[in-house]
Amino acid sequence: GAVVSQHPSRVICKSGTSVKIECRSLDFQATTMFWYRQFPKKSLMLMATSNEGSKATYEQGVEKDKFLINHASLTLSTLTVTSAHPEDSSFYICSALGAGVYNEQFFGPGTRLTVL
Amino acid sequence: RKEVEQDPGPFNVPEGATVAFNCTYSNSASQSFFWYRQDCRKEPKLLMSVYSSGNEDGRFTAQLNRASQYISLLIRDSKLSDSATYLCVVNEWGTNAGKSTFGDGTTLTVKP
Repeated sequence: GAVVSQHPSRVICKSGTSVKIECRSLDFQATTMFWYRQFPKKSLMLMATSNEGSKATYEQGVEKDKFLINHASLTLSTLTVTSAHPEDSSFYICSALGAGVYNEQFFGPGTRLTVL
Repeated sequence: RKEVEQDPGPFNVPEGATVAFNCTYSNSASQSFFWYRQDCRKEPKLLMSVYSSGNEDGRFTAQLNRASQYISLLIRDSKLSDSATYLCVVNEWGTNAGKSTFGDGTTLTVKP
């Protein structure tokens, strides 16, 4: 199957700093990528849809100025958590939309963010 | 009411057992359906797509009932390695193509 990488896998930062997370599709081009966050024992919550070359579409309740998304190429989308606070601590997962007719998503390994 | 509902479990079964998970969805515009598995602190991995005619992959069988808006996953001859959380995922097509709605997952523990 298609491979999606995510970097970093784990980050610990101080409150007030900004953190950038990269999501790359390694062996296919992805015009659409998704960013999720997941709390313990909960399912994935879609934060935004990232389309190459255009602005991201954010889900209701997700602050676009807080979570900056850039999809500059067909293989890379980035999520920047600006001025992170402890409540932003979570597991962030990206996915890339496959080219198959059934629209499968291929997930990155996730980034565990801890804000102190 | 949630858009995608699953029995959260947990399901605790012995090795070799057969276990079935159910999932219902509320959006009749949904067009494609998947089961993913997620291990603790890992990303979800696609287990299988669910086709209208039903499909089987080894010990795993998925069924779709569009009239009842219901999806199922059957695991036969459970292995210890099947222990995971199983996520039911529903996609729309058209303008929301690829946008997935996830169930909260069903946790399975297979015991020796």
